[in-house]
Amino acid sequence: DIVMTQTPLSSPVTLGQPASISCRSSQSLVHSDGNTYLSWLQQRPGQPPRLLIYKISNRFSGVPDRFSGSGAGTDFTLKISRVEAEDVGVYYCMQATQFPQTFGQGTKVEIK
Amino acid sequence: QVQLVQSGAEVKKPGASVKVSCKASGYTFTSYGISWVRQAPGQGLEWMGWISAYNGNTNYAQKLQGRVTMTTDTSTSTAYMELRSLRSDDTAVYYCARASAAGTRDFGYWGQGTLVTVSS
Repeated sequence: DIVMTQTPLSSPVTLGQPASISCRSSQSLVHSDGNTYLSWLQQRPGQPPRLLIYKISNRFSGVPDRFSGSGAGTDFTLKISRVEAEDVGVYYCMQATQFPQTFGQGTKVEIK
Repeated sequence: QVQLVQSGAEVKKPGASVKVSCKASGYTFTSYGISWVRQAPGQGLEWMGWISAYNGNTNYAQKLQGRVTMTTDTSTSTAYMELRSLRSDDTAVYYCARASAAGTRDFGYWGQGTLVTVSS
């Protein structure tokens, strides 16, 4: 199975400041079809996860443009340009290049 | 709009079975597979498996092989996940999810979650 490792596991940030989460996979996520199936999810307390980014850098419908994804191969990053109070929650990276689909451990974003 | 509505919370004894439903609406049910993901209390997300709503093909997490069965009923646009021989560590919120669009292999749409509690 592909292991997804996120850092940091906790990220206290000041409102209005940027935040960055790293995700590293144990093997390349480039699929034989040329796509890289790496997505980012946000989970607010008490809610189901919500898709933010798919295929490395594509924002899902309704996701604010302060969220951006980048990376390639085995190293990926989610950036929040200016953290808002509603961004508090746990963020997961997920790979779907290979079964079984696997998730990172989660990064908790909280306000300082 | 795409909606996935799951059945209500369940309390089961160890060794019992549970069957969770996920009713889809707002799209052609057979055009997308349904995945199941679970989350133990205070823990991260765990992929359980996937079923094609088109032909019923399945792919299960190895650790659940033999205990889990995923099915669909195309007449009611409903997916089901049955887990047998329940143990205390199966206590979790169970989610169904669907891709955001064809070929994206993500989880763009989620059910609201079903809490399954396994306790004697």
